[in-house]
Amino acid sequence: EADIYQTPRYLVIGTGKKITLECSQTMGHDKMYWYQQDPGMELHLIHYSYGVNSTEKGDLSSESTVSRIRTEHFPLTLESARPSHTSQYLCASSGTGKYTGGNTIYFGEGSWLTVV
Amino acid sequence: DQQVKQNSPSLSVQEGRISILNCDYTNSMFDYFLWYKKYPAEGPTFLISISSIKDKNEDGRFTVFLNKSAKHLSLHIVPSQPGDSAVYFCAASEDAGNMLTFGGGTRLMVKP
Repeated sequence: EADIYQTPRYLVIGTGKKITLECSQTMGHDKMYWYQQDPGMELHLIHYSYGVNSTEKGDLSSESTVSRIRTEHFPLTLESARPSHTSQYLCASSGTGKYTGGNTIYFGEGSWLTVV
Repeated sequence: DQQVKQNSPSLSVQEGRISILNCDYTNSMFDYFLWYKKYPAEGPTFLISISSIKDKNEDGRFTVFLNKSAKHLSLHIVPSQPGDSAVYFCAASEDAGNMLTFGGGTRLMVKP
């Protein structure tokens, strides 16, 4: 079992609110990722980090921002949520830490965000 | 341009039979391939992987086949069980880093 945790699992929030989705991993992985998936659709990479103080935007443009101050923590923030942000957000990590198999990405359980 | 494609959005199989999920890729630099399984409202879980130096990798009921010349891989599940009903994603990466490119997924339904 992969040790990567996301909170909250489910969140319903009003338009214009600021939200932060938390993600932590205890595997010592250096690389972390955020993917977005709408129901029945593809997984899209929106942010990634190769280590502390490293953040990059992914293939899919997103209004969210991320930070990587600690190796184990990679939170995602939306400053002003809109209904178009309603989606499932999946945090993931990979590396040569606790689990070998360098290119294998391990996912958290996901955070379902609904903006009303 | 999608570099990893799963052309069948859904597949229905009878319990006990073989499920074959297909995946095609266009990037010849990909050399590591993975399959993930995803239940609704959960994150994808890693199933099985294969590197380009092999053409087959087996783990219990799951076998992945890689045909490099055709840029094609497939996942075989035998025998299929109702609990295998989920969305299956194939993914690929180049050796240089751990960035995975995912296919669009195939929804497998195993009927009892």
